[in-house]
Amino acid sequence: NAGVTQTPKFRVLKTGQSMTLLCAQDMNHEYMYWYRQDPGMGLRLIHYSVGEGTTAKGEVPDGYNVSRLKKQNFLLGLESAAPSQTSVYFCASSYSTSGGPLETQYFGPGTRLLVL
Amino acid sequence: GENVEQHPSTLSVQEGDSAVIKCTYSDSASNYFPWYKQELGKRPQLIIDIRSNVGEKKDQRIAVTLNKTAKHFSLHITETQPEDSAVYFCAATNSGGYQKVTFGTGTKLQVIP
Repeated sequence: NAGVTQTPKFRVLKTGQSMTLLCAQDMNHEYMYWYRQDPGMGLRLIHYSVGEGTTAKGEVPDGYNVSRLKKQNFLLGLESAAPSQTSVYFCASSYSTSGGPLETQYFGPGTRLLVL
Repeated sequence: GENVEQHPSTLSVQEGDSAVIKCTYSDSASNYFPWYKQELGKRPQLIIDIRSNVGEKKDQRIAVTLNKTAKHFSLHITETQPEDSAVYFCAATNSGGYQKVTFGTGTKLQVIP
């Protein structure tokens, strides 16, 4: 049971380049999330998904796109990277009891992205 | 949407002393309040959580209290140890259809041996 995994661990991009970050979970969780973490700003939600084939915008969605074609995978895409997207990106997953609040979020190890 | 404020941003305590971190939230519909600990270079991990139908919860040296009327909740760490040094995040979640979590900005706790 690997939990939540992320690839790659580290990446350097040039402004304007594109890339996709992959998040995978083997806990059969319905909910998956992408956060970015910047110094002094905590964890900010980029996009999230409440189930396979569904996605929704979070707090800071501009410049990012996501897809959830399979329940276990959640992809985060940067179409044209900008220096402002330099950050550490965390994926998380969770489940919820029917009609109830979220349960614990399990985080991946993070992807450190540097955009030059 | 939900807004979570967390204080202080940094906290230094002597080993053995207690540490208290406070958070306030804005959405009265929020009903689940987890606390995460993030060690340097690591992922956030849940250390304790509390639901809106409970006022206090303890787990060994850590405890969380919730005041729904005032919309604030706090993390208490007693008998602090150097391994408690980390960044702590509070969070609030509203199960009213959005299924997402709003985090506080974090508190960097340093326990001085």
